[in-house]
Amino acid sequence: DGGITQSPKYLFRKEGQNVTLSCEQNLNHDAMYWYRQDPGQGLRLIYYSQIVNDFQKGDIAEGYSVSREKKESFPLTVTSAQKNPTAFYLCASSIDRENQPQHFGDGTRLSIL
Amino acid sequence: AQSVAQPEDQVNVAEGNPLTVKCTYSVSGNPYLFWYVQYPNRGLQFLLKYITGDNLVKGSYGFEAEFNKSQTSFHLKKPSALVSDSALYFCAVRPYGGATNKLIFGTGTLLAVQP
Repeated sequence: DGGITQSPKYLFRKEGQNVTLSCEQNLNHDAMYWYRQDPGQGLRLIYYSQIVNDFQKGDIAEGYSVSREKKESFPLTVTSAQKNPTAFYLCASSIDRENQPQHFGDGTRLSIL
Repeated sequence: AQSVAQPEDQVNVAEGNPLTVKCTYSVSGNPYLFWYVQYPNRGLQFLLKYITGDNLVKGSYGFEAEFNKSQTSFHLKKPSALVSDSALYFCAVRPYGGATNKLIFGTGTLLAVQP
């Protein structure tokens, strides 16, 4: 079955530590996205990528970094500069045309120890 | 600024009754509109979209949505609610034109269906 796989499902970070969230898709989608979800705030875009080896900052990119070395993979690193990283992180992908819906993974919940 | 509003944090409805989850938007040009559903600790699932044409759009699980250009609204509806419909619902808009498929999401509405 085609889909988006996020791992791990739960992740814990110590103060001053960088952590990387994995996102893999086998839908052959060009575009991929990372969102942060906090209660009552909906989804906020962190980074997105329309093509391999290119990515753009979203609305809340500070304290995060990404790479897009392969079409299937779009890992997100939460750096120590992100002072409030506790959240539910969602990865999505889509055909890069404006009327196409985004497809989501099941998320990674990041907590601070 | 372009935005999406879901004015109700929570909607309560009895099983078997019709339900409506409201969404209004403010974007330039003609938008593409989407509804998603999220169950606890899961990702978002696509329900339906409005691109152009008929203002009443039918989607998954018996849901439908009505596009109203004059009121800039895209309310989600279902004729008869099920307990299993209880979940968090998100409206999203993609402004017409532009270089990317970025979506603007509302803050979500929690639907609670009582047996």
